Amino acid sequence: KQEVTQIPAALSVPEGENLVLNCSFTDSAIYNLQWFRQDPGKGLTSLLLIQSSQREQTSGRLNASLDKSSGRSTLYIAASQPGDSATYLCAVYSSGDKLTFGTGTRLAVRP
Amino acid sequence: GAVVSQHPSWVICKSGTSVKIECRSLDFQATTMFWYRQFPKQSLMLMATSNEGSKATYEQGVEKDKFLINHASLTLSTLTVTSAHPEDSSFYICSARTGTLDPRSGNTIYFGEGSWLTVV
Repeated sequence: KQEVTQIPAALSVPEGENLVLNCSFTDSAIYNLQWFRQDPGKGLTSLLLIQSSQREQTSGRLNASLDKSSGRSTLYIAASQPGDSATYLCAVYSSGDKLTFGTGTRLAVRP
Repeated sequence: GAVVSQHPSWVICKSGTSVKIECRSLDFQATTMFWYRQFPKQSLMLMATSNEGSKATYEQGVEKDKFLINHASLTLSTLTVTSAHPEDSSFYICSARTGTLDPRSGNTIYFGEGSWLTVV
């Protein structure tokens, strides 16, 4: 059974800081990995999708990497802003098209 | 990007009653939709996979007679929580996939805004 863990569970940083969120998964036989953002009381916003053949994806200030062999992914956020405050979830596709979500990292960026 | 709409966003119902949540793909046809549940401070857990025109596939531990899922068209799936109890209070969210079922294709899954259910 696939298990996805995210570290840290919570993070508070001052505005402008660069930060890294970590995601690890137990079964390396994944297809894709996706990072999402969830604001309190809201749904999910897809940030980046990394296909199994890719090692990283970039979108604006966000960069996500994937190392299947070690079962790890990182989400790098550059020059963090208060508007980045949210819960960040990583999810892996395995055993078909089901997603297994991580436990999430709650990020707070202080002005 | 594609839009998935969920309705209602918030619902309060009395214990023992049933409540229906709708998930619509507004600008694409979704052959497959997924329903997730999220308890407070926990991650999303897949409840069931809904395929248009066929019975839903439920995850282990999810009562199919309690959580009725209907995917009658390529743009609409519904989740009905029957005989709701306070422990069913949760955040329910759907997602929809377009294209093939093979995730290696890189198709993006689109999520709805979610529905908050409170059973009193």
